[in-house]
Parts: sequence; structure tokens; C-alpha cells
Amino acid sequence: KQEVTQIPAALSVPEGENLVLNCSFTDSAIYNLQWFRQDPGKGLTSLLLIQSSQREQTSGRLNASLDKSSGRSTLYIAASQPGDSATYLCAAPNSGYALNFGKGTSLLVTP
Amino acid sequence: GAVVSQHPSWVICKSGTSVKIECRSLDFQATTMFWYRQFPKQSLMLMATSNEGSKATYEQGVEKDKFLINHASLTLSTLTVTSAHPEDSSFYICSARDPGLENNEQFFGPGTRLTVL
Repeated sequence: KQEVTQIPAALSVPEGENLVLNCSFTDSAIYNLQWFRQDPGKGLTSLLLIQSSQREQTSGRLNASLDKSSGRSTLYIAASQPGDSATYLCAAPNSGYALNFGKGTSLLVTP
Repeated sequence: GAVVSQHPSWVICKSGTSVKIECRSLDFQATTMFWYRQFPKQSLMLMATSNEGSKATYEQGVEKDKFLINHASLTLSTLTVTSAHPEDSSFYICSARDPGLENNEQFFGPGTRLTVL
């Protein structure tokens, strides 16, 4: 069964810093990996999806990388802003397409 | 991207009543939908896989007689929480995969917050 782990569990940074969120998964036979953002009491916002054939994907200040051989993915946030404060979830699929989520990284960006 | 809706967005009910949650794919046909739940301060956990025209597949520890799933059409799956109790209070989220997309991206509904008094 696919297990997904995210570190750190929580992170607090001053505005403007670049930061990296880490995700690891146990089954490297994945066809993609998704990163989501969740604001308190809200649903999921899809940030980036990386196909298994890709090494990275970029959207604005966000860059996600994927290393299947080592079972790792990172989400890089450049020039962080207070509006980036949220919980970031990494999710890898199982063989039946359902997603297995990590416990998330709770990010706080202070002004 | 594709759109998945859920209804209601929140519901408060008395213990012992049943609650139905609807999940719809608005602009694509989804042969498979997934139901997740999220307890406070925890991550999303898969409850069941809903298959159009056949029985749902439940994850270990999820009571199939309590959480009834019906996927009667290619755009609608329903989750009924029967005889709800306070411990069923949670955030329920559905997702669907658009089989027309090669990247197998999952699209999530906005979620339903269930509070059982």
C-alpha cells in the first residue's frame, strides 16, 4: 500500500523567504503525483500535477519536482507571501487511481 | 480543469438520522469517483471507490452498511450516512477522474461538512 510522508509538519517563515516542502512515497510505481493547498475549513485547491515521465512542473512561484527512483517530491515556493499561509498536501495514487495523502505541511508566512 | 460539485456544502443533523451527500461531475463523465473524509487536524483518508453501475469498494474499517454509496449515472455518485452519530462528524470530499485525460488528474469537490448533534 502506498504510504506518503510529508516533512516538516509545520513551518513558519518571514515574508519573502524561499522555502521547500518535502514529500516521500513508498511505491515508486506511480503515474503521477499531485500537490494541493487547503485553507482552514475549506476544500482542496490543486496546485501542480507531475507526470511520472516529468521531473518538474512550474506554476508561477511554485515549482514541484519528482524523483521516482528515490520516492521523493519537493514543492518549492519562491518569495513567500502571507497569502501562501495554508496546509500543503502531497498525494500519490494507488493502483486503483485513488489518492493517498500525506498529513500535510502547515505553512505560516508572517508579514 | 474539470469541475466536480458537491451538495450540500454543510449539514447539521440529529443523532440517528440519515444524511445524503451528492457528488457530480459537471463537464465530464466519471466512471469512477472516490469518497474521502477528513477529521479535524488530520489528512484525507479514502473511504471508498464508487464505480458506475456496480458496487462500491470500501476501504478496511469503513462500514459499508453505514456509508451507502450509489453511482447510478456517469455524472453522479451519492454517499448516504445512515443513522449518523456524533463520531461521524467530519469533512467529506469526493473526487473524480476524467478518463478522457491521459494524465489521470483527480478533480475534487468542495467538500461537505457534516455535524451530528
